[in-house]
Amino acid sequence: GQQLNQSPQSMFIQEGEDVSMNCTSSSIFNTWLWYKQDPGEGPVLLIALYKAGELTSNGRLTAQFGITRKDSFLNISASIPSDVGIYFCAGPPIGGKLIFGQGTELSVKP
Amino acid sequence: DVKVTQSSRYLVKRTGEKVFLECVQDMDHENMFWYRQDPGLGLRLIYFSYDVKMKEKGDIPEGYSVSREKKERFSLILESASTNQTSMYLCASSFGSNTEAFFGQGTRLTVV
Repeated sequence: GQQLNQSPQSMFIQEGEDVSMNCTSSSIFNTWLWYKQDPGEGPVLLIALYKAGELTSNGRLTAQFGITRKDSFLNISASIPSDVGIYFCAGPPIGGKLIFGQGTELSVKP
Repeated sequence: DVKVTQSSRYLVKRTGEKVFLECVQDMDHENMFWYRQDPGLGLRLIYFSYDVKMKEKGDIPEGYSVSREKKERFSLILESASTNQTSMYLCASSFGSNTEAFFGQGTRLTVV
């Protein structure tokens, strides 16, 4: 099936550092979603983006819907230990059902 | 808040057993989904349902079936569990087929 290319696959950072991850698709998307999954839990929606160029923040998290509608970015500023987890991008290609990226596993060293 | 509840957090079953994973949502969502999650493979869609008694195969339906007799409940069935079905299973629901999905807490199934 269709896939989203999410990178990086994993990140090991120091507490206080900023984090960036991104997702690309070969198809145009109308919606981009970013989820976080804590260890042993289900994914939780962080940010939803509905418009090309849209920039949305949720606390220390900022996500952008790319102008081409084929990519999206998530930034985390001043990371803290509880940011640890797996971050997924997701979106529906036009006419299709929701699909997910492979995930970015974030580790934060205190 | 949307609540999606999976019946078990952890399950251990024997090879060949019939296994039922239950999921209930309380937001009157039309769509419900079952995914499995394995290290390095992300979330893979097993089945989804867009209405009561309606179902569609996802990317990896082999070895699984589903049941949706009521709008709020979506069951995943492993007819004869095998060790390669050891995984984390995630249920989700959404209002539309291409809107944000809300997930349950997951069921970690081990088949021995």
